[in-house]
Formats: sequence, structure tokens, C-alpha cells
Amino acid sequence: AQSVTQPDIHITVSEGASLELRCNYSYGATPYLFWYVQSPGQGLQLLLKYFSGDTLVQGIKGFEAEFKRSQSSFNLRKPSVHWSDAAEYFCVNRGSTLGRLYFGRGTQLTVWP
Amino acid sequence: DTEVTQTPKHLVMGMTNKKSLKCEQHMGHRAMYWYKQKAKKPPELMFVYSYEKLSINESVPSRFSPECPNSSLLNLHLHALQPEDSALYLCASSQSSQETQYFGPGTRLLVL
Repeated sequence: AQSVTQPDIHITVSEGASLELRCNYSYGATPYLFWYVQSPGQGLQLLLKYFSGDTLVQGIKGFEAEFKRSQSSFNLRKPSVHWSDAAEYFCVNRGSTLGRLYFGRGTQLTVWP
Repeated sequence: DTEVTQTPKHLVMGMTNKKSLKCEQHMGHRAMYWYKQKAKKPPELMFVYSYEKLSINESVPSRFSPECPNSSLLNLHLHALQPEDSALYLCASSQSSQETQYFGPGTRLLVL
């Protein structure tokens, strides 16, 4: 069955530090992968997506993600975190059924000043 | 422009009330979605409309009734809800049901 695993429920970093959020997916065919961010009480904002091509994907707000097929991973990175990056981050895989997305459980990011 | 709008932002209703949530997009997207999100959980898919036809109903109770009057609008009619239905209701849209989904800000629903 298709699934997305985000191993870290909660991560705390200091402002200015680097960040890596982990994501592993399971699906045989080429995955269609996304990272969304959700601030408290808000909707989900698309950070970046990977369908094919260059395995290093650039997104908004200075985020990037690297697709590694050999590790079934799609980790999200940012070189220097800002306090405004504190939010919930969801790794998502598009399902084989049209319209269906598979969400990871989310990683809550706290940023210390 | 990737904006999906939702109204109202907040809604409080009793278990005997009838209310509706509204979602609108003007991006020419032909697929629209309703999700329910409980606190500290990822969104759960409720309904998918593709070209104004219901294509997925995730066994949602009949007290939730979706409607897609045209390609830009999606409604969710609520009737006889239970307190456990309190949640953030998110709408999303995409060019087609294969494409990237863009989410609205959500309606925070409280059922008393």
C-alpha cells in the first residue's frame, strides 16, 4: 500500500541554523512528491514538488528538497531557518487514484530565537 | 495566482442547524476537493469533484452534502452535525485531478 513516513513528529532548531525534515515514501512507480507547510489555523501552502527531472528541487521561501530513489526519500532542507518558518510540514505523495493524496503525519517545527 | 477562497472563516453551529461552507477559485481549475482536518493530524479527503461531477466520496456521512454548482464554486452543506465533526474544513483545487492541489485557508467549524 502507498504510504508516506515522516519519522520526526517535532523538531526544534535555533533561528539561523540549518534544517532538514525527513520523508520516506513507499510506492513502486515513479512518485509525485510534494512538501506543504501549514501555519496554525491556516490552510496548506505548497513549498515545492517533484515529478521528474532534476532530483534537487527548489521551492519558495528558500526551501529545497532532494529526491533519492535509492533511499525512497524526499527530504526538505533550508540552510538558515527564520522564526517565521515555525509551522507544520507535510510530505505528500500523489496516489494512483486520480485526486487522492497520501499525507505523512506531519512534522512540527519550532524555531528558538 | 493560486488563490482558493473559503467562507466563512469560522462557524459555530448547533446540532440541529443547517449551514453551508463555500469555496471558490478563479484559476480555471476543473477539480475541486473537500478535506477535513482534526488538530495535530493531516487532512483527510472527503470528496473530489472533477469537471463538476462527484468522482470520489470517501464514505462520508450523509449529514455532509457536497455541491458543485459550476466549475468555480464548491459548497459543503451541513445538517445535523455531531460535536465530533468539529474540525478545520479545507477546500482545494487543481487543474485536473492529476495535477498539483492548491488549498484554501479553511473554515474552522465548531459544533455545539
